[in-house]
Amino acid sequence: KAGVTQTPRYLIKTRGQQVTLSCSPISGHRSVSWYQQTPGQGLQFLFEYFSETQRNKGNFPGRFSGRQFSNSRSEMNVSTLELGDSALYLCASSQPRNLADNEQFFGPGTRLTVL
Amino acid sequence: SQELEQSPQSLIVQEGKNLTINCTSSKTLYGLYWYKQKYGEGLIFLMMLQKGGEEKSHEKITAKLDEKKQQSSLHITASQPSHAGIYLCGADPTGTASKLTFGTGTRLQVTL
Repeated sequence: KAGVTQTPRYLIKTRGQQVTLSCSPISGHRSVSWYQQTPGQGLQFLFEYFSETQRNKGNFPGRFSGRQFSNSRSEMNVSTLELGDSALYLCASSQPRNLADNEQFFGPGTRLTVL
Repeated sequence: SQELEQSPQSLIVQEGKNLTINCTSSKTLYGLYWYKQKYGEGLIFLMMLQKGGEEKSHEKITAKLDEKKQQSSLHITASQPSHAGIYLCGADPTGTASKLTFGTGTRLQVTL
């Protein structure tokens, strides 16, 4: 079974630009969560999509948005990039059948650098 | 909101030595996850604990959750260079396993 894939793996943008990151979950997984990891703030939850609907949201400004398609693939978009948006963006997928099976599988991440 | 504190922040141990990493939550945990991360890469799932007093082991790694479900420990026996990395504990505040709150991480180095 293929794992969670993220594209691109590396990205360099300049301030003010926008960026779109993509995540393909494990086949059959319907939940996709996005996280931002920075040295200063650590790993922080951005949002989660389940069956094309945003189910949970973290404390990030509206410049951060996402969506999920019918095949469960998800994209996140960051508009008007700021230097502080430089981070490793991780997505994770899950498909719990019961609480004991709750496990998030993480992708390798997209490293975004904003210049 | 739930906060997780990990200790120590970093650890250097000699190969073959045992070590323990702690994770303390400000609130009762629905579930507690342990992940390992190689620098700049994705997270590798280690274990998930759910019940108070629960203990799980995989190879040389043992994780425990206390009875009150507010503190967890990760113990590595006879450490090896392959154990090096960043260990993160994650709390599941909603019971959906989809919105995890993570600790600050513990960076482990294993010297020869």
